[in-house]
Amino acid sequence: EVQLVESGGGLVQPGGSLRLSCEGSGFIFSSYSMNWVRQAPGKGLEWVSYISSSSSVIYYVDSVKGRFTISRDNARNSLYLQMNSLRGDDTAVYYCARGVRGSGSYLSYHMDVWGKGTTVTVSS
Amino acid sequence: DILLTQSPATLSLSPGERATLSCRASQSLSSYLAWYQQKPGQAPRLLIYDASNRATGIPARFSGSGSGTDFTLTISSLEPEDFAVYYCQQRTIWPTFGGGTKVEIK
Repeated sequence: EVQLVESGGGLVQPGGSLRLSCEGSGFIFSSYSMNWVRQAPGKGLEWVSYISSSSSVIYYVDSVKGRFTISRDNARNSLYLQMNSLRGDDTAVYYCARGVRGSGSYLSYHMDVWGKGTTVTVSS
Repeated sequence: DILLTQSPATLSLSPGERATLSCRASQSLSSYLAWYQQKPGQAPRLLIYDASNRATGIPARFSGSGSGTDFTLTISSLEPEDFAVYYCQQRTIWPTFGGGTKVEIK
């Protein structure tokens, strides 16, 4: 069964750090780009970060640039998100999601497998 | 950045009715847009990719159409399990999501 399982969420004080992990199974992890997507309480989905299959291309949403670092270890089938200088507006459920690029245009891209999410709460 | 605007924000319908959801992009996406369904307490689920292709296991009552800047997700006859929030998503350089449309029971 193709699966993604996140871990590492919790309660952290403003200014603190947290490292999220996402372990993939049932597929060739190293063949896929990966994403972190978050959802604040009662809000919509917000894409946070992207990493290509080889880690050569990385993107972040502006609000986390300089504070979050995405990485992956293909030997361990794992994706990570190091979150530093956490703020209250980082409070959310964080999902990892597998990215699939279509055979045609670069524009063809969707996320076909999602984990159940891990909750990050930033509060004093 | 490309902005995705979904409308309406909320759609109140009865089971058996047809649902039509809109996603408008601030610039052309050709035929490349995805749709997701999310139920309370659950992760999003891929419904449609490349504007009109159903993902694996998605019932035929879900269909997607559109190109350029205007896209539509249609649910031909709402089942009780279809009441949820729906998001569109694009990727020009990086992915972004629309704000969502909640389909609620009337």
